[in-house]
Amino acid sequence: DQQVKQNSPSLSVQEGRISILNCDYTNSMFDYFLWYKKYPAEGPTFLISISSIKDKNEDGRFTVFLNKSAKHLSLHIVPSQPGDSAVYFCAAKGAYSGAGSYQLTFGKGTKLSVIP
Amino acid sequence: GAGVSQSPRYKVAKRGQDVALRCDPISGHVSLFWYQQALGQGPEFLTYFQNEAQLDKSGLPSDRFFAERPEGSVSTLKIQRTQQEDSAVYLCASSPTGNRYEQYFGPGTRLTVT
Repeated sequence: DQQVKQNSPSLSVQEGRISILNCDYTNSMFDYFLWYKKYPAEGPTFLISISSIKDKNEDGRFTVFLNKSAKHLSLHIVPSQPGDSAVYFCAAKGAYSGAGSYQLTFGKGTKLSVIP
Repeated sequence: GAGVSQSPRYKVAKRGQDVALRCDPISGHVSLFWYQQALGQGPEFLTYFQNEAQLDKSGLPSDRFFAERPEGSVSTLKIQRTQQEDSAVYLCASSPTGNRYEQYFGPGTRLTVT
């Protein structure tokens, strides 16, 4: 069973508008969440992260919101630009002790297309 | 500075062959991870090194998969007797120490087993 779910395989947004990418998780032991962006034939690139003790983190055009009670997080991109077109992965880290706490669990990704 | 590099970028192997995939992490990064990404899926954890110590190999799918990082820098993922289900992109990531949990990924090696 998937512990990190991105239920929208794709999303299209007009340039200049807001893009909202959603992610749900089931494991209450996750304590740190990350968003990655991936272009074809490249590895995922780290975008922004949030600790479970916060509910919002902002970096330029990117803002991540965390709703722990709903086990839901979202990535907002404002304004969206054509260069933002990529696959976005949500990832989570567990609050376990020991070596197992470092691995990331990823969702399947959402393909964002920003239309000029 | 230089990012994570991986080689080869593409590898085609006949079923039953052994393959070796190389990862050069970011200089000074203590932690190194290997992930497997099947088509249309997110990366899935394989194994984790802290310096030269392999601290977690719980994600390796079978005993045909073996990883090493003998000097705490470059790492090699070896797959013996490759099978078609091993076809995937193999991603390497590295991470600094401390309270930073971001992992920095290389471009991956696309393995195709025919």
